[in-house]
Amino acid sequence: GQQVMQIPQYQHVQEGEDFTTYCNSSTTLSNIQWYKQRPGGHPVFLIQLVKSGEVKKQKRLTFQFGEAKKNSSLHITATQTTDVGTYFCEGSNYKLTFGKGTLLTVNP
Amino acid sequence: NAGVTQTPKFQVLKTGQSMTLQCAQDMNHNSMYWYRQDPGMGLRLIYYSASEGTTDKGEVPNGYNVSRLNKREFSLRLESAAPSQTSVYFCASSPLAGGRGNEQFFGPGTRLTVL
Repeated sequence: GQQVMQIPQYQHVQEGEDFTTYCNSSTTLSNIQWYKQRPGGHPVFLIQLVKSGEVKKQKRLTFQFGEAKKNSSLHITATQTTDVGTYFCEGSNYKLTFGKGTLLTVNP
Repeated sequence: NAGVTQTPKFQVLKTGQSMTLQCAQDMNHNSMYWYRQDPGMGLRLIYYSASEGTTDKGEVPNGYNVSRLNKREFSLRLESAAPSQTSVYFCASSPLAGGRGNEQFFGPGTRLTVL
């Protein structure tokens, strides 16, 4: 069945450092969604990627969808303490599958 | 707009008890979902409803039943709770019918403990 692997599981950075999380699917995806969940909170939608090779930016966040539509990445430039949380990808084709998430902690 | 609301926020059950988790959305969304979240396991889909009047199993449906009461409400029932069902339960909704590949809006969650 479809699996979505997300790495790393944890990442601790100093404030100001960059951060990247990767999402890899065992099958080709129709689209991929990214979410952020603050500690104790609920997931909040960040972005959707649909096209092969697509790159989207939101301020310090850059999202990429691979050419084969089987992988994706989220890159944060110059992390801030407000970036703390778990980042999830969700891959969609004939079913929904969430990755297990990457927990980002930031040392001020 | 309240968005997605869930009740209760917290619940403690004894093994074998039953309960229903309530979810409602006021955004006129077509699709609704129930997830459970366990440490290190991410979000796992229990059931979803791709449109009013339809429900489908997700990844982990055993031990649960759902009802899409109307377009607004989607409830999750545990008939005989087990300790393995201790988890945080999230309800979500999305605008489009079909149940896949949409932006999802999540509720605040229900923290359930089964003793």
